[in-house]
Amino acid sequence: RKEVEQDPGPFNVPEGATVAFNCTYSNSASQSFFWYRQDCRKEPKLLMSVYSSGNEDGRFTAQLNRASQYISLLIRDSKLSDSATYLCVVSRYGGSQGNLIFGKGTKLSVKP
Amino acid sequence: NAGVMQNPRHLVRRRGQEARLRCSPMKGHSHVYWYRQLPEEGLKFMVYLQKENIIDESGMPKERFSAEFPKEGPSILRIQQVVRGDSAAYFCASSPPGRGESPLHFGNGTRLTVT
Repeated sequence: RKEVEQDPGPFNVPEGATVAFNCTYSNSASQSFFWYRQDCRKEPKLLMSVYSSGNEDGRFTAQLNRASQYISLLIRDSKLSDSATYLCVVSRYGGSQGNLIFGKGTKLSVKP
Repeated sequence: NAGVMQNPRHLVRRRGQEARLRCSPMKGHSHVYWYRQLPEEGLKFMVYLQKENIIDESGMPKERFSAEFPKEGPSILRIQQVVRGDSAAYFCASSPPGRGESPLHFGNGTRLTVT
């Protein structure tokens, strides 16, 4: 089993659609979870941290299920500017400390 | 308040040459991390450094690769005798001191092309 597995892409959706990305991780010792976004040929940028209780930031909602080792990201009311690759990221050890495991990413393309 | 600065943005080397990639962390950050992204692949952790110390190099290839973060100046990732397979984007990130769950702030990367 891969350390971090994400939905295969690409996701092609119309503006205004709701889209959900899923991610599973294999290391039960992981304590920190994030979603990053990466635009083509650019650096990854933090989208949001993911907390056990679930958290929301505007149109974005992240969920964590530790028992199932599963993370999700929901994007509501998609905008053209949401087009990017979304990276599921998990800490290798207990805390973050920089040794993060990145999924390969799921590409999202929002069309007018 | 400058972010993580990497240079050069693009680097072309012939097989067998050396590549030196530089990274200056954000102001106030003393932890530096190097990641590599091969084409169509996810980012892979290489090494984690603090000033004058290598904390975790579990992702570094055993040969030809080295990293340092001296007391003064930027962190350097050095690749000796480059091969075509070293062609990738190399991203540096930094975080503030102390343990915790700080997310990383990445620089805009150095794209290495080996011809």
